[in-house]
Amino acid sequence: DAGITQSPRHKVTETGTPVTLRCHQTENHRYMYWYRQDPGHGLRLIHYSYGVKDTDKGEVSDGYSVSRSKTEDFLLTLESATSSQTSVYFCASAGENSYEQYFGPGTRLTVT
Amino acid sequence: SQKIEQNSEALNIQEGKTATLTCNYTNYSPAYLQWYRQDPGRGPVFLLLIRENEKEKRKERLKVTFDTTLKQSLFHITASQPADSATYLCAPQLYNQGGKLIFGQGTELSVKP
Repeated sequence: DAGITQSPRHKVTETGTPVTLRCHQTENHRYMYWYRQDPGHGLRLIHYSYGVKDTDKGEVSDGYSVSRSKTEDFLLTLESATSSQTSVYFCASAGENSYEQYFGPGTRLTVT
Repeated sequence: SQKIEQNSEALNIQEGKTATLTCNYTNYSPAYLQWYRQDPGRGPVFLLLIRENEKEKRKERLKVTFDTTLKQSLFHITASQPADSATYLCAPQLYNQGGKLIFGQGTELSVKP
């Protein structure tokens, strides 16, 4: 398995609080991605990165921001969490040919 | 907008039979199509990638076809086993788009002994 970890694995937070999720990979992969997975919607891309400091929006980026200051770390921030952001968040990485993606174990976030 | 449809109903089959899962896409022309497996509570795991100029791809008991005219991919698991029970996701991929994938909602497969 590609070395990709996410932290925290579970989090409960209140509406209006900021939340940062961390993704760390040890494969020196160029590309990294944040998805959310919800029943009835499947996996949806939030933001992705194609290099250090290079990021772009995905399908459902409103209310989220990302940062990538090092190859191995990709942070997802919810500036002011809302109940609609309750979800399971997955991080993934991919090598230079950007074909297969390697996923982390996921973070279950509950916003109350 | 781009749309991907997979069998919405769960697929229940008997051990030893061949499972066939369908992925249909509309409003775009992917250069590649990937298939992933996801077990409950875990992240998806890559299984196979097929290119638009490939009609068929095999890996052990897995076979994927890609028909760009029908805009459809079929995913087959032969000699299925209870351990194959999982949700299978298809993800068509455009060329040179930073590896972005659009995933289907997945088909849940249950293999009974």
